[in-house]
Formats: sequence, C-alpha cells, structure tokens
Amino acid sequence: GAGVSQSPSNKVTEKGKDVELRCDPISGHTALYWYRQRLGQGLEFLIYFQGNSAPDKSGLPSDRFSAERTGESVSTLTIQRTQQEDSAVYLCASSLTSGDSSEAFFGQGTRLTVV
Amino acid sequence: LAKTTQPISMDSYEGQEVNITCSHNNIATNDYITWYQQFPSQGPRFIIQGYKTKVTNEVASLFIPADRKSSTLSLPRVSLSDTAVYYCLVRDTAAGNKLTFGGGTRVLVKP
Repeated sequence: GAGVSQSPSNKVTEKGKDVELRCDPISGHTALYWYRQRLGQGLEFLIYFQGNSAPDKSGLPSDRFSAERTGESVSTLTIQRTQQEDSAVYLCASSLTSGDSSEAFFGQGTRLTVV
Repeated sequence: LAKTTQPISMDSYEGQEVNITCSHNNIATNDYITWYQQFPSQGPRFIIQGYKTKVTNEVASLFIPADRKSSTLSLPRVSLSDTAVYYCLVRDTAAGNKLTFGGGTRVLVKP
C-alpha cells in the first residue's frame, strides 16, 4: 500500500506477557518514529530511527521497551512483561528528511489493551 | 529542544475563522514550525509548515512573526468536520529532525 501500515490494529494481552507491534513505513522513507498515546492525551515520543544513524531511544519509558528497524524498512516495537499502564495506542510514522521535506505520515496505530 | 505552548482547547462555530497561537520561545535558527491535525481514532495528519512570515495552502494559513517565537495557525471558515486536536511542533533540526509533540489544542466546532 501507499501509506504507513501497522499491525495488529488491536491487541489484547494479559499482564506479564510480551507483545510485538509492527510498522511498515512508506517505501523510501529514511526516518521512522514510534509514539505512544494514552486515552485523551497527546503523543508521547518513544524512539526515532534515521537512516543508518544510531536510533534516538530517549523516549523509551523503561527497559521493557525496545525497538528494531531493518535497514529502511519494517520496524518492530517490543514490550516485555506488559503492565496495565502500557495500555495505549501505539503510533508509527515515517518521513523523508532530505532537504526541507519533513512531513511525517502516520499509520492508524495499534490499540494495546493489557488486562 | 524547543518546547511549545498552546491553549488546551478552543470552541468555535461553523463558518468562523479559528486562530490557534503557539509559543516556542527558544526556537533555534534552523528549526521549522509544523502543525498537525488529529481526528479521534486516527493518526495525526500534516497540515502546514513554515519558517518565517506567512505560508498558505488549501487547508490553512500559518503566520510567523519576525522573531519566530510564536506562530498562529489560521483555519478559515471552519466546519463541523474541523473538530480535532491541533498540534504545534518545532522540527528539531539539531536532533536530526525529530518530531516532538506537545499536548495539542482541542478545537470543537459547534453548529
């Protein structure tokens, strides 16, 4: 497809289980972002990948959170030993960063519910 | 990292112009100002971006004064479908163009 694709769209998991969220960015986009959005809140930055540079992990809330990106393609966000406080929508975005172009395109998000 | 401050919420009526002002007092020389719109249950969508003076597209206008310490997003003649959260961001060029969102402004358009 032409847009950013995230899967699954919804995930219900039991407390303590690990979850893996997937993001397929727009082809050719060198930058990829992960955000967390709790109900009624703004977007909380988690991690940022830019080309071959080391990722900016400054937003990851704890060591239970990790993310990987293969080259300039798919990214996975992993949450280990999930807690109820992890319940949120996880949004992925990608963008070109060459020149002045920085429009980020977002996926529809993965709604994670930890029960 | 330039922090942004914008009103939490605004109410308007159909057909009116809505202006949302964002403060970014410590914006860096190379930073751009970007606005996104988010509808419920959707990811944010890019609206407009500018560096200085005025930028206009089919959706909105962006006014940036000479000191660049603030910016105003103007939505002309809003309709009910413009009800959304609007985010002001400063694109952090020193951090490789990382996008950091604040709390946004919740705009409610009433009939």
